[in-house]
Amino acid sequence: QVTLRESGPALVKPTQTLTLTCTFSGFSLSTSGMCVSWIRQPPGKALEWLALIDWDDDKYYSTSLKTRLTISKDTSKNQVVLTMTNMDPVDTATYYCARIPYGDYGWFDPWGQGTLVTVSS
Amino acid sequence: QSVLTQPPSASGTPGQRVTISCSGSSSNIGSNYVYWYQQLPGTAPKLLIYRNNQRPSGVPDRFSGSKSGTSASLAISGLRSEDEADYYCAAWDDSLSGPVFGTGTKVTVL
Repeated sequence: QVTLRESGPALVKPTQTLTLTCTFSGFSLSTSGMCVSWIRQPPGKALEWLALIDWDDDKYYSTSLKTRLTISKDTSKNQVVLTMTNMDPVDTATYYCARIPYGDYGWFDPWGQGTLVTVSS
Repeated sequence: QSVLTQPPSASGTPGQRVTISCSGSSSNIGSNYVYWYQQLPGTAPKLLIYRNNQRPSGVPDRFSGSKSGTSASLAISGLRSEDEADYYCAAWDDSLSGPVFGTGTKVTVL
């Protein structure tokens, strides 16, 4: 059974750096074609893709956020970490991680339960 | 910053057929697979359709996907109360070098 779980702070202050961890089980990120991605959803709004990392350590970032994002993986721990710098209240959202199988970069399955991050002073 | 356009809402009575459109461009839907996700209230999205028209195991055959040119559609036949949810399309965008999501459609069962 494949599962993913997001963890990180529920509250961050403006200008701070957010660090989120996705801990997964049931698959290996060293398997060819396997990827993990981050997606966020502001309250009441649509999904927004943020970043993904693949089995070969290739990384892709949202063009609008790439200067603020860093994604990395620790294959031995089955974890993927996302950092987002210079947080702003507009970054308040539920942040999800999801697996991408077969190197098919639109195919998110399954998703973690999500973690709500509020940006406020 | 949704690149794919969906109608904000759709509705139907139980048993009816509802169709949701997803409009994109040559750099996304026109040249890549389309995926559909269902998000029930208060839950994470769930894969509903992959590679334009394929259903993962466990997804009822009431859900079907299609693609033509730079647009795609999700059809729900035999609408049920448990289908009330938000639905999102997604596709890889060659110009942006990343996946893009639709604006989302809220389906209401009257």
